[in-house]
This record gives sequence, C-alpha cells and structure tokens, in this order.
Amino acid sequence: GAGVSQSPSNKVTEKGKDVELRCDPISGHTALYWYRQSLGQGLEFLIYFQGNSAPDKSGLPSDRFSAERTGGSVSTLTIQRTQQEDSAVYLCASSLFGTAEFYGYTFGSGTRLTVV
Amino acid sequence: GESVGLHLPTLSVQEGDNSIINCAYSNSASDYFIWYKQESGKGPQFIIDIRSNMDKRQGQRVTVLLNKTVKHLSLQIAATQPGDSAVYFCAEKTEGRRALTFGSGTRLQVQP
Repeated sequence: GAGVSQSPSNKVTEKGKDVELRCDPISGHTALYWYRQSLGQGLEFLIYFQGNSAPDKSGLPSDRFSAERTGGSVSTLTIQRTQQEDSAVYLCASSLFGTAEFYGYTFGSGTRLTVV
Repeated sequence: GESVGLHLPTLSVQEGDNSIINCAYSNSASDYFIWYKQESGKGPQFIIDIRSNMDKRQGQRVTVLLNKTVKHLSLQIAATQPGDSAVYFCAEKTEGRRALTFGSGTRLQVQP
C-alpha cells in the first residue's frame, strides 16, 4: 500500500484479556518496527524484524508481549493478559533495507490501546 | 544507559518567527540523528536527518545542527507557520543497532 496501515485504530479491552494489533507495512519494505508511546512520552522500542533474520526482541517489556511477521510482510503484536499499564499508542514503522539512516522510518497512525 | 532528552517540553512562538527546538543525547556512539514531527492522532513524520560526520544540514525551511562536543542537536524552523504546530521528537541511532531511540518530545505552539 501507499503507507503503513495499522488496525484497529482504537481498542478498548478489559484487564486480563489478550489483544492482537496488526501492522501492514509499505510494500517492499524489508524492515518492520514496533514502538509504544505512552501519554505525553517519547517512543519506546519494542521489537524489530529484518527480512528472514531473527527479530530483535530486546525492547519487549515482558513475556506477555510477542510479535510475529508472516511472509515478510504483515506483522501482529500480541499482548496477553493485558494490564492497565499496557495502555498506550502502539506504533508500527517500516523501512527499506533496515537502515534507518538512508530512508528513515515511515510510521503508521498507531493503535490506541486502552485497558480498563 | 543511553538516553535522548529535550530541554523544553513546550515552545510557543509567533507566526513568522523562527523556532529552535533543542535536544541532548548521552550516547557517544550515536552515528545518526533524525527529527520527527507528530501531529495529533497521527504517527511521527520524518522531517530531516543528519549523520554524525556532519554538523549542519538544511532542508526546506528546516535546519538541523549537530554539536558532538556537547552532544547537542537542534532543529531550526524558519518562518514558523500554524501548520508547524505539533510535537517534535529527536531520535538517534547507535552504530550497529537498527532501532532508533527517541526523546520525550517538545510541543511547538504557533500563535497567529
């Protein structure tokens, strides 16, 4: 597509439920990133996928968080047993070649997750 | 640990004035820096970038200055317009690492 697409745009869930957030990157972009943005804060790195390489999961805050990328394209971020502190905007970005310095990231509009 | 931070959380300027948004970073291994603009309800949008082997780069109405001696980065916006109102983030990348580290953001408010 023309841009990075994320769905849903908003998600309200009850504490303890699992949620799945979807990201559809720009066609041909080999690198995909997930970030989390809490209210009034900067972006916190979660996970990075590059082609067929093992993902960099160093930013995932707990084992309740996981992500996969199928066929080198669409990615799903899953949060199990959601907690109120998981409430945030989850942003996905993609880039060519995984080298941000040449192209920068292109971000989606994010999924606003609210855990009640 | 490494961090990227901003001096001013909110900057208010008059339309037509120049704006300067500052950012400090702590990681000496940072080799690439980016400024992003984020409007309400949208994802961050790339504005301008600069490599660590440069000290200045200019775009359309924007200039980024990098002072590696004091680990300081700034974004200058010329003739600020109402459409420039947004939150601005600086971000840095460490050599060998793919992910960007973002600062907490500065809100720019342009007064008519």
